[in-house]
Amino acid sequence: DARVTQTPRHKVTEMGQEVTMRCQPILGHNTVFWYRQTMMQGLELLAYFRNRAPLDDSGMPKDRFSAEMPDATLATLKIQPSEPRDSAVYFCASAPGPTDGTDTQYFGPGTRLTVL
Amino acid sequence: AQSVTQLGSHVSVSEGALVLLRCNYSSSVPPYLFWYVQYPNQGLQLLLKYTSAATLVKGINGFEAEFKKSETSFHLTKPSAHMSDAAEYFCAVTRAHDSARQLTFGSGTQLTVLP
Repeated sequence: DARVTQTPRHKVTEMGQEVTMRCQPILGHNTVFWYRQTMMQGLELLAYFRNRAPLDDSGMPKDRFSAEMPDATLATLKIQPSEPRDSAVYFCASAPGPTDGTDTQYFGPGTRLTVL
Repeated sequence: AQSVTQLGSHVSVSEGALVLLRCNYSSSVPPYLFWYVQYPNQGLQLLLKYTSAATLVKGINGFEAEFKKSETSFHLTKPSAHMSDAAEYFCAVTRAHDSARQLTFGSGTQLTVLP
């Protein structure tokens, strides 16, 4: 049963610290998304990649957030320095081809981040 | 630009009663529409999707939704609620033939099923 995995599942850190979240997309999926979920803003798209290349990161605060795909099996989302307002659940999702918008996005279980 | 409005952030139904969760969309081009469900402390799971084939779409767990272009709606229904249906439900839209596949989500509806 293929699924998206995310680590860590929970992270508590202090303001100013660096946070790295990792995602392993489903093998063979060529598109990876990062979302953030908060009570106030709901689900927001932060960034997404196709074939490891960043396509859009306009939803991401550029000064402190960065997203990369070092290889096809790993996507990372880094926050440096972290702030209390970054506290949220961060989801990774992956999707296979084709490229007509009909394919399903498969979500990971999320990383719950708390910044004190 | 596209957007989704989910009417009612909280809906309560009795077990065995009809479930109706409302979703209205706005899109300047033909849309694809999705319903996702999120159980506590889990990621989102696809329930069903409309991709311009049949307007009545059947999904998992007995849910279905009907695309009504004239009403710009894609409401989710289930004839008889089960306790296990208690979760948060999200409607989402993307543009048809959008190679970027960006989803825009609604704010979600929390469904409570009363015994």
